[in-house]
Amino acid sequence: GENVEQHPSTLSVQEGDSAVIKCTYSDSASNYFPWYKQELGKRPQLIIDIRSNVGEKKDQRIAVTLNKTAKHFSLHITETQPEDSAVYFCAASTDQAGTALIFGKGTTLSVSS
Amino acid sequence: DAGITQSPRHKVTETGTPVTLRCHQTENHRYMYWYRQDPGHGLRLIHYSYGVKDTDKGEVSDGYSVSRSKTEDFLLTLESATSSQTSVYFCAISELAENYGYTFGSGTRLTVV
Repeated sequence: GENVEQHPSTLSVQEGDSAVIKCTYSDSASNYFPWYKQELGKRPQLIIDIRSNVGEKKDQRIAVTLNKTAKHFSLHITETQPEDSAVYFCAASTDQAGTALIFGKGTTLSVSS
Repeated sequence: DAGITQSPRHKVTETGTPVTLRCHQTENHRYMYWYRQDPGHGLRLIHYSYGVKDTDKGEVSDGYSVSRSKTEDFLLTLESATSSQTSVYFCAISELAENYGYTFGSGTRLTVV
């Protein structure tokens, strides 16, 4: 089955810096790669996703890149703000009916002002 | 609200007792999932459902069973709770028409003593 590795497990940056979180996956059939943000005590929420027919996707200060050949994808946050502090999870799956997301172990991002 | 509710929100139970967690949705989504979240392990898939009475096992299904007799309800049962099942349990829903993006419930914090 699918296995998703996520690095780093913790990341500390200064406000205004960029943050990058990387994930690798094992199943070459996977073609859907979402990222979730979980604030302390809250539920995970989808912030951005990408499919295998796209190499990069942006939404304001966040972007995701995908390298299907190398089986890795990354989350990029620019101009970080204290409210970006949270746990971020990557995930992977196929988009076939009946499959489920497999998540990485998460990255705790701390943005200090 | 996200259209998905979990109950109870918190529960303390004794080792060896049966426990049932409920996930209820008002979105009429076909797919429902149960994950557990533990420090250092991220979100791990327990069971999922792709329709009424259609369920499948996830990566950590031992000791858990599920049932889905109606589209809106997905029940997770711990037949005989153990301390290793102390965790935060999240339910999620998704639908093909929404590109499989998950919406998570608020979670159930279960403590087995």
